Amino acid sequence: QKEVEQDPGPLSVPEGAIVSLNCTYSNSAFQYFMWYRQYSRKGPELLMYTYSSGNKEDGRFTAQVDKSSKYISLFIRDSQPSDSATYLCAMSDLSGGSYIPTFGRGTSLIVHP
Amino acid sequence: SQTIHQWPATLVQPVGSPLSLECTVEGTSNPNLYWYRQAAGRGLQLLFYSVGIGQISSEVPQNLSASRPQDRQFILSSKKLLLSDSGFYLCAWSRIQGFGYGYTFGSGTRLTVV
Repeated sequence: QKEVEQDPGPLSVPEGAIVSLNCTYSNSAFQYFMWYRQYSRKGPELLMYTYSSGNKEDGRFTAQVDKSSKYISLFIRDSQPSDSATYLCAMSDLSGGSYIPTFGRGTSLIVHP
Repeated sequence: SQTIHQWPATLVQPVGSPLSLECTVEGTSNPNLYWYRQAAGRGLQLLFYSVGIGQISSEVPQNLSASRPQDRQFILSSKKLLLSDSGFYLCAWSRIQGFGYGYTFGSGTRLTVV
């Protein structure tokens, strides 16, 4: 079993839809949770990060962590065609003090007009 | 502000040829530096990371090597490329102390070995 599982998609939604992207994980030591967005042929960029459980909101994006279920989500409200990208979840613990994250494979999101 | 530069953007190399990819970071000192490879349909695979000059940790044994000759310079090399080395190579940096900043990735190098 991989440490981080993420459905590769593609997930296709109409403009304005609420998008839910999810990851599950098996390592209960993970404490830091991140979401990256990667446009085609570009490097990933950090969207949001959270520590431990709970929700965090930034504009149209909400990150949610449920450590009891080992499940994290990213919600995108009022999705736009410019949100079309691959979204990677990542998570890390304090192993060796390096915080090196484990990445999911990424979910491809397509928002069509 | 901090910036990360990675070049070249694309590269086509024959099997058996050498490789050198360079990454530099500006605007910070003593960063953690990383090389990742992203193959089509697969996730990010950590290849090497470095916490300081001359300090390299290898995550995956293969015909690639990394060096950090200066604080903000990270180089990925190979003496003889294999077809399986094709992929999208990403350099990244993060702060040494504390977390909350995540990674900042470069724009990547698409390597095709023919």
